[in-house]
Amino acid sequence: GAVVSQHPSRVICKSGTSVKIECRSLDFQATTMFWYRQFPKQSLMLMATSNEGSKATYEQGVEKDKFLINHASLTLSTLTVTSAHPEDSSFYICSARQGTSSYEQYFGPGTRLTVT
Amino acid sequence: AQSVTQLGSHVSVSEGALVLLRCNYSSSVPPYLFWYVQYPNQGLQLLLKYTTGATLVKGINGFEAEFKKSETSFHLTKPSAHMSDAAEYFCAVSYGKLTFGQGTILTVHP
Repeated sequence: GAVVSQHPSRVICKSGTSVKIECRSLDFQATTMFWYRQFPKQSLMLMATSNEGSKATYEQGVEKDKFLINHASLTLSTLTVTSAHPEDSSFYICSARQGTSSYEQYFGPGTRLTVT
Repeated sequence: AQSVTQLGSHVSVSEGALVLLRCNYSSSVPPYLFWYVQYPNQGLQLLLKYTTGATLVKGINGFEAEFKKSETSFHLTKPSAHMSDAAEYFCAVSYGKLTFGQGTILTVHP
């Protein structure tokens, strides 16, 4: 149980285009989903927290107009990188939490974004 | 704000040797504590967690960690390293949101 998937696993896009990454909880309802970014040889940095049906809460320094997060259902959250630039190239990982009182997050396999 | 420090960005051991990965947190209130493992180009897999109760917690793949409140530590150990243990390991604390340490890359030599 507690499986989280991400799609796509890898994506290459041209500078200036937008790309959408999906995060799905496959066997549980995720009231909260988290989006992280990981640069090469670095740790995970939380970008934003999204609760189903409400606006995402972004961490300081993360541009909400650039990284659009939607959590329209209890099993799906999406991250759209708008007008992507090479510096947006990174490994994006989502996680999902079941219930508001739960402390455990289940992580997706990550999406490698390369912007050319 | 809580923070996590992992001592040593790289640890190298021989196969069969003891693995010790260090983690210290800074907080006046004991948080929930986690160890995750990450293989190249993959997400994070939970190794073990401490929430309450017994301070020595056992996880998957033979790993265990001990929560020491007086030392604000949560070091990860494994008695005998295996080649398949080579990966990056992250310690994390949670008060709702996870804060990760900078990671330790474990290399296992034959």
